[in-house]
Amino acid sequence: GENVEQHPSTLSVQEGDSAVIKCTYSDSASNYFPWYKQELGKRPQLIIDIRSNVGEKKDQRIAVTLNKTAKHFSLHITETQPEDSAVYFCASHNYGQNFVFGPGTRLSVLP
Amino acid sequence: NAGVTQTPKFQVLKTGQSMTLQCAQDMNHEYMSWYRQDPGMGLRLIHYSVGAGITDQGEVPNGYNVSRSTTEDFPLRLLSAAPSQTSVYFCASSYLGNQETQYFGPGTRLLVL
Repeated sequence: GENVEQHPSTLSVQEGDSAVIKCTYSDSASNYFPWYKQELGKRPQLIIDIRSNVGEKKDQRIAVTLNKTAKHFSLHITETQPEDSAVYFCASHNYGQNFVFGPGTRLSVLP
Repeated sequence: NAGVTQTPKFQVLKTGQSMTLQCAQDMNHEYMSWYRQDPGMGLRLIHYSVGAGITDQGEVPNGYNVSRSTTEDFPLRLLSAAPSQTSVYFCASSYLGNQETQYFGPGTRLLVL
């Protein structure tokens, strides 16, 4: 079955710097890749997603890139702010299958 | 549109007790699922359903039962609670099409003593 790895497990950056989190997946049939942000004590919230017919998607300070050949996708956060501090989860999905989540990355943005 | 709702928000049980965690969605989603999240860990799939009357096991189904009598509701039953079931439980739902977004409920925090 599908396996999703996520790196790094923890990431600390200075406010204003960029943060990059990378995920790799094993099932070449996976075609939908969402990213969730989870603040302490809250539910995971979708922040951006990418579909397999697209290589990059951007929404203000957040972008996601997808490399289907290498089977990896990355979350890029620019101009980080303290409110970006949270745990970020990547996931992969294939039609008819369940979502498979990465183990998460704890991002700390230091003021 | 309330989205995905869960009750209770917090529950304390004694070992051996049973209880039902409620989950409902008002988006007419076919797919519903239950995850557990342990401290510092990711989301592990317990059970899922692709429509009323259809349920299946996920990665960690032991000790839990589910049913799906309506499209809206997907309760999770703990048959005989154990301390190992102390966790935060999230319900999630989505349409059953290709590349559909999954939405999470607010979670139920369960403590088993």
